Amino acid sequence: GENVEQHPSTLSVQEGDSAVIKCTYSDSASNYFPWYKQELGKRPQLIIDIRSNVGEKKDQRIAVTLNKTAKHFSLHITETQPEDSAVYFCAASNPDNDMRFGAGTRLTVKP
Amino acid sequence: NAGVTQTPKFRILKIGQSMTLQCTQDMNHNYMYWYRQDPGMGLKLIYYSVGAGITDKGEVPNGYNVSRSTTEDFPLRLELAAPSQTSVYFCASSYSRQGESPLHFGNGTRLTVT
Repeated sequence: GENVEQHPSTLSVQEGDSAVIKCTYSDSASNYFPWYKQELGKRPQLIIDIRSNVGEKKDQRIAVTLNKTAKHFSLHITETQPEDSAVYFCAASNPDNDMRFGAGTRLTVKP
Repeated sequence: NAGVTQTPKFRILKIGQSMTLQCTQDMNHNYMYWYRQDPGMGLKLIYYSVGAGITDKGEVPNGYNVSRSTTEDFPLRLELAAPSQTSVYFCASSYSRQGESPLHFGNGTRLTVT
């Protein structure tokens, strides 16, 4: 089955800096890659997703890139703000298999 | 829309007790899921359902059971609770299969087994 690895497990940046979180996956059949943000004590919420027919997707300060050949994808947050502090999860799936999540990255944005 | 609603929010069980975690959604999603979240371990799929009357095991189904009698409800049953089941449980739904659409999560149930 699919195995998703996520790095780093913790990340601390200064407000205004960029943050990058990386994930690798094992199943070449995976074709859907969402990212979820989970604030302390709350539910995970989708912030951006990408499908395998696209190499990059942007939404304001957030972008995701996908390298299918290398089987890795990354989340990029620019101009970080304190409210970006949360745990971020990557995931990978395809219609024939359940979604597998990375272990999460705790992002802290220092004012 | 309320989205995905879970009850209770918190629960403490003694070893060997049983309980049912409730989950209901009002988005008319066919697909529903139960995940558990352990510290530093991400989310692991316990059971899922592709529609009323159909359920299937996920990655970590042992010690749990589910039923899906209606589109809206997907309760998770714990029989003979064990300390290893201490976790935060999330119910989720999606309008199509996991590989095709994002998950909508409930607020979670924090369960402690002592």
